[in-house]
Amino acid sequence: AQKVTQAQTEISVVEKEDVTLDCVYETRDTTYYLFWYKQPPSGELVFLIRRNSFDEQNEISGRYSWNFQKSTSSFNFTITASQVVDSAVYFCALKVYGGSQGNLIFGKGTKLSVKP
Amino acid sequence: EPEVTQTPSHQVTQMGQEVILRCVPISNHLYFYWYRQILGQKVEFLVSFYNNEISEKSEIFDDQFSVERPDGSNFTLKIRSTKLEDSAMYFCASSGSKGLTMNTEAFFGQGTRLTVV
Repeated sequence: AQKVTQAQTEISVVEKEDVTLDCVYETRDTTYYLFWYKQPPSGELVFLIRRNSFDEQNEISGRYSWNFQKSTSSFNFTITASQVVDSAVYFCALKVYGGSQGNLIFGKGTKLSVKP
Repeated sequence: EPEVTQTPSHQVTQMGQEVILRCVPISNHLYFYWYRQILGQKVEFLVSFYNNEISEKSEIFDDQFSVERPDGSNFTLKIRSTKLEDSAMYFCASSGSKGLTMNTEAFFGQGTRLTVV
């Protein structure tokens, strides 16, 4: 069975602090994809990143960075120098590669509050 | 930038009534999905649709639910007889342009908040 665990339910930081959102996944498949989505207070789901299971390179995009470690089945997300606009719920998701289309398996989300 | 569009943004309906949620996926995408999110909870997969048929569905997607692609642009979710527990945000998503695998990222619409009273 596949599962995504985001142990941090809520995190509160002060602007300009760095913050790391944890994501641990479970799957027996060797080929899978990991995603992060952002859900701002307005409610939409905004795609942030996709990672393939065979590519463990970390990625940096501006203030965002992602650390993928297969050895610990983790795909953590770090926001550097957080801003108030980063306040949102962040979801980690897993998609396995298979005969069917597959579907996204979401974690429960981490609510990030960035205070000025 | 192309986007997934959902209408209406908010729908209130009485228990037992039928509702149809509408979505216009990104035009060159081939795979379509519905997800739902009960308030404050995680996003859950309902159904995926490809080549004019359902390719996968979850346990949530029972006989009360149906999907349709009535024309070349719209993708609808129908709930036949709504229950109080159907109250949730419903997200439509699409992925996979021609020539790419289906395991590209899914792009989500802004959601339809369904309230059953």
